Amino acid sequence: GEKVEQHESTLSVREGDSAVINCTYTDTASSYFPWYKQEAGKSLHFVIDIRSNVDRKQSQRLIVLLDKKAKRFSLHITATQPEDSAIYFCAATSGGNYKPTFGKGTSLVVHP
Amino acid sequence: EAAVTQSPRSKVAVTGGKVTLSCHQTNNHDYMYWYRQDTGHGLRLIHYSYVADSTEKGDIPDGYKASRPSQENFSLILELASLSQTAVYFCASSERQGAGNTLYFGEGSRLIVV
Repeated sequence: GEKVEQHESTLSVREGDSAVINCTYTDTASSYFPWYKQEAGKSLHFVIDIRSNVDRKQSQRLIVLLDKKAKRFSLHITATQPEDSAIYFCAATSGGNYKPTFGKGTSLVVHP
Repeated sequence: EAAVTQSPRSKVAVTGGKVTLSCHQTNNHDYMYWYRQDTGHGLRLIHYSYVADSTEKGDIPDGYKASRPSQENFSLILELASLSQTAVYFCASSERQGAGNTLYFGEGSRLIVV
């Protein structure tokens, strides 16, 4: 089955800097790559996604890049703010599979 | 209003006892999932369902059963709770889509087995 590796377990940045979280996947059939955010003591909520028919997507300060050849995707958070501090999870879903596989999460801390 | 609600939010259970975690969604979604979250393991899929009265095994189904009596409700059942099942459990729902599906999560159920 699909395996998703999330490379950074923790990440610390200064407010205003950019943060980058990298994930790799194993299944070439995976075609949908969402990101979720979990604030301290709370549940997860969706922040941004990318599908395999594009290699870049942006939503405000969030940018997702997808490199299908390398089976790698990344989340870039620009101009970070303290409220960006959270655990971020990447996930991958094979087309028609409906079984999202998650990475282990990256704990991002943005220092004022 | 929360579209995916879980109950109980927190529970202490004794080893060998039966535990039922319930999930209710008002999203009108076909798919429902149960994940467990452990430090260092991220989220792991236990069971999921794409239609009422049918459930599928996820990646770590051992020790768990699931029940989907209606589109709105999905339960996770631990017949004989064990210490290793101490974790936070998340229910989620999603639409049926051609190639990918955003998950909407409940608030989580913290289970401690003693």
